[in-house]
Amino acid sequence: RKEVEQDPGPFNVPEGATVAFNCTYSNSASQSFFWYRQDCRKEPKLLMSVYSSGNEDGRFTAQLNRASQYISLLIRDSKLSDSATYLCVVEISGNTPLVFGKGTRLSVIA
Amino acid sequence: DAGVIQSPRHEVTEMGQEVTLRCKPISGHNSLFWYRQTMMRGLELLIYFNNNVPIDDSGMPEDRFSAKMPNASFSTLKIQPSEPRDSAVYFCASSVDSLAFFGQGTRLTVV
Repeated sequence: RKEVEQDPGPFNVPEGATVAFNCTYSNSASQSFFWYRQDCRKEPKLLMSVYSSGNEDGRFTAQLNRASQYISLLIRDSKLSDSATYLCVVEISGNTPLVFGKGTRLSVIA
Repeated sequence: DAGVIQSPRHEVTEMGQEVTLRCKPISGHNSLFWYRQTMMRGLELLIYFNNNVPIDDSGMPEDRFSAKMPNASFSTLKIQPSEPRDSAVYFCASSVDSLAFFGQGTRLTVV
């Protein structure tokens, strides 16, 4: 089983739609969780951390379910500029490398 | 701060040649990572350093790959000899407190 698994997509959604991505991780000892965003031919950039209590940043909501070992990202009111690949990222413990999923590709269509 | 700086941005080389990729991490970050990204395999960790010391190089594909971090502000990844299957984007990232920041990557093409 892969350490971090994501549906590769692509998810093609119209502007204004709500879209959700899920991600599962295999190591139950994982401590930190993140969503990164990667635009075409660019480097990954931190989108948001994921906290146990769930957290929201504008149109973006991230949630963590430790019991089921999955992380989710919800994007409301999608914009064209949200088109990118979203990478689910897990860290086992501090100072250990981030483990990346292969990403979910989102395309927001006018 | 300029962020993580990688050079060169693009490299095209012939099979068998030596390739050296360079990285300058963000000042104050104590961890540095080298990743490789391909369409097929996604982002794969090659090696990482904590406080300039290599911690885990199990991701390095084979002996043709080597990495060094002689000081806190510089790291290199060397491939010798290079092969066409090494073609990929190589990212360097540095982190502090679990927050990692990536350089713009080096797009390597081995022909």
